[in-house]
Amino acid sequence: DAGITQSPRHKVTETGTPVTLRCHQTENHRYMYWYRQDPGHGLRLIHYSYGVKDTDKGEVSDGYSVSRSKTEDFLLTLESATSSQTSVYFCATRLAGETDTQYFGPGTRLTVL
Amino acid sequence: KNEVEQSPQNLTAQEGEFITINCSYSVGISALHWLQQHPGGGIVSLFMLSSGKKKHGRLIATINIQEKHSSLHITASHPRDSAVYICAVTDNNNDMRFGAGTRLTVKP
Repeated sequence: DAGITQSPRHKVTETGTPVTLRCHQTENHRYMYWYRQDPGHGLRLIHYSYGVKDTDKGEVSDGYSVSRSKTEDFLLTLESATSSQTSVYFCATRLAGETDTQYFGPGTRLTVL
Repeated sequence: KNEVEQSPQNLTAQEGEFITINCSYSVGISALHWLQQHPGGGIVSLFMLSSGKKKHGRLIATINIQEKHSSLHITASHPRDSAVYICAVTDNNNDMRFGAGTRLTVKP
């Protein structure tokens, strides 16, 4: 394990409310990722970060924003949650090399009612 | 069409059977990954390979770059091998693309 934690692990919220998920790593990995996992789909990239204050969009970024103010924390924010954002969210980190392994956090199950 | 396709989607085996899960991809890659997702949801990396074959215990992963195909084999399967196995590739833009996963159930 690369010392990756996610909080909260479970959350139920209502449509239209803001939600922030936190990913915390203790391994000083340069790259961090947010994915969502839905039945019938593979993991899909939402946003990623290649350094402090350096982020970019992934495949399914609409409705999500991220911030990385320090190496160890990568925050995912749903400004106004919708039912389509009900999913399991995984954070992952990668050291630096182009083909380094990604290490995954335990996941956050988010339900938007 | 997903750039990474896995087969089968679901697989049930008896304890002790030899298991093969297949992965085909349609993009240029620098590496291919096999991941295991436990029933509790955690995801761990099993293999990362860019050519040939790798072996770890009862698990063997192979890749054929020309055919854009990889296989994950499990020998002498055991109920504790029950999990979702995910194939993923690092494409030439350094993005990871994931298959939908193969759900394996090994019955005692």
